[in-house]
Formats: sequence, structure tokens, C-alpha cells
Amino acid sequence: EVQLVESGGGLVQPGGSLRLSCAASGFTFSSYWMHWVRQAPGKGLVWVSGINRDGSSTYYADSVKGRFTISRDNAKNTLYLQMNSLRADDTAVYHCVREFDSGGYWGQGTLVTVSS
Amino acid sequence: DIQMTQSPSSLSASVGDRVTITCRASQSIRNDLHWLQHKPGKAPKVLIYAAFNLQRGVPSRFSGSGSGTDFTLTISSLQPEDFATYYCQQSYSAPYTFGQGTKLEIK
Repeated sequence: EVQLVESGGGLVQPGGSLRLSCAASGFTFSSYWMHWVRQAPGKGLVWVSGINRDGSSTYYADSVKGRFTISRDNAKNTLYLQMNSLRADDTAVYHCVREFDSGGYWGQGTLVTVSS
Repeated sequence: DIQMTQSPSSLSASVGDRVTITCRASQSIRNDLHWLQHKPGKAPKVLIYAAFNLQRGVPSRFSGSGSGTDFTLTISSLQPEDFATYYCQQSYSAPYTFGQGTKLEIK
């Protein structure tokens, strides 16, 4: 069974940093692109970042470019999102998602709250 | 960026009804279109991927059609567990955009 379990969310002050993790199991992690998608309170789903199978190519939404860094450790079956210079509008539930095109799977998400 | 427009934004229906949700892309996305179901506090669940492929384990009352710019999700006979918010999403080109969602409520 495919499982994606996010962790690392919490309350952080504006300008602060957090690192999210996503532990993957039930599939060959290194064979799939991975993504982060977020949902702000009361809002819709927004793609944040994606990474290819070996981590050599990364992609970002304009709203996070230069502040967030996606990475992966295929030996540990884990996806990461390093978030720096956090702003109030980064407040959201962050979901880890396995590759869209082949029938995606989503984690339940971890809540990030940016507030003073 | 590719804009995804869903309609309707909300829908009231009864158990047993046939329901159709549409999604239009601002440019052709071939068949790189996926449908998700989302319930509060749960992980979003992919129902249909690549326009018409039923995700493993998803009931056959869900179906998808379309290509290019116009797509449809159909639920042939609504069940109580189907009341949720539905999103379309394109994976043709980054940024991978979503429709604004359709909230399906019990009449």
C-alpha cells in the first residue's frame, strides 16, 4: 500500500524557517517524480514544487522561488521541503504527492502556520 | 500559466443522482488532466488520471472524459460517501494548476 507521511510542520514567526519531510513507503520511491502541494485555510489547492526521480531537476511556483528548496534522499525514501523567509501567506497544509501522471497519491499533509 | 476553470463551483444533489462536473483549460493540455476528491482533514484522493483512467480501487461509478481543453467528471449514481469537494488538475506544464473546486452537497 502506498503511504506518504508528512512531518515537520508547526508554528513559525515571519522570516523564520522550517523543513518538511515526507516519508514514502509501499512503492519504489526512486522511480517517481515527487511534488509538494499546499492548501491555505479556506482556499484551493496550489502546486508548490516538484522534483524528478534522481533529484537533478527541480521546479518551483513563482511565489516560493528563491525561498523554498525541494530535495530527496532516495536511500531513505524521503522527500524534503526547506522553507526559508516564511511569510504569513505561506500558512497552509502542505501535502506530499507522488507523480501526477501515473495516478497520483497524496499524503494527509502537515500544517504550517506563519504568525507572530 | 494554464488556467483551469471548473463548473459549477457548488452543487446540491441527492443519493442516486447522476452528476457531471466540467473543467476547461485555457489552452490545450492533451489528456494531462486529473480529477481529485477531497474531504476535510483527509488526504486528497485521485479518482481519474490522464483524463479517463480510473485510479485503482476507485468505484466504477466515477468516469472521466475529454481531451484538449474540455473535460468532464461523471458520477453515475451518487452515494453518501461521494459528498466532498472535487478538483481538476493539469500536469501538462508547470506550474501544475488546479481548478477552483466543486463542492458537492446533499440536497
